[in-house]
Amino acid sequence: SQQGEEDPQALSIQEGENATMNCSYKTSINNLQWYRQNSGRGLVHLILIRSNEREKHSGRLRVTLDTSKKSSSLLITASRAADTASYFCATDRGGKSTFGDGTTLTVKP
Amino acid sequence: DTGVSQDPRHKITKRGQNVTFRCDPISEHNRLYWYRQTLGQGPEFLTYFQNEAQLEKSRLLSDRFSAERPKGSFSTLEIQRTEQGDSAMYLCASSFRTGEGFYGYTFGSGTRLTVV
Repeated sequence: SQQGEEDPQALSIQEGENATMNCSYKTSINNLQWYRQNSGRGLVHLILIRSNEREKHSGRLRVTLDTSKKSSSLLITASRAADTASYFCATDRGGKSTFGDGTTLTVKP
Repeated sequence: DTGVSQDPRHKITKRGQNVTFRCDPISEHNRLYWYRQTLGQGPEFLTYFQNEAQLEKSRLLSDRFSAERPKGSFSTLEIQRTEQGDSAMYLCASSFRTGEGFYGYTFGSGTRLTVV
């Protein structure tokens, strides 16, 4: 079973809207990463947040981490059709990362 | 450096045949990982190397699977006596990790294996 679980499994929004996806995990972690995957391609690293950080920004991305609730959220602001992809969280522990099953985001033009 | 390269991109094989995949990581990275991904699922950890040493191997990896990283450079993943359940995308990733220094993985485009 996977360490991280993303919610929702699927999300459909209009271009220009914000998209929020969540990740919950079960054990203590060193850091948490978010990745994007376009259909049939490899994963692209978006952002990493360490266990002692609470919030991080990168362009239109905002990530929060709440270690007391063992959860993280990824916010994509002003979404574009090109943001259509699957988004995965990965929790790092013991030298390797464990991935959830992802949120599929569809942004309609 | 052009990133992580995987070869081949696609492989179709008959059940019972052996297959081998290759991964060339980013040269400055000291760790190399293999993951397997099936449709609708996230990547599942298979094994990883630090330089040439294989540090961990998942229980998911049966005796039919073997991975090597000679001289700490490229890596190969071999599957012997393939089964239909081995059909998946095999992803390679590399990273640089030392102490607290870790900045995420760089993934290759994957090798899609279809066992018929």
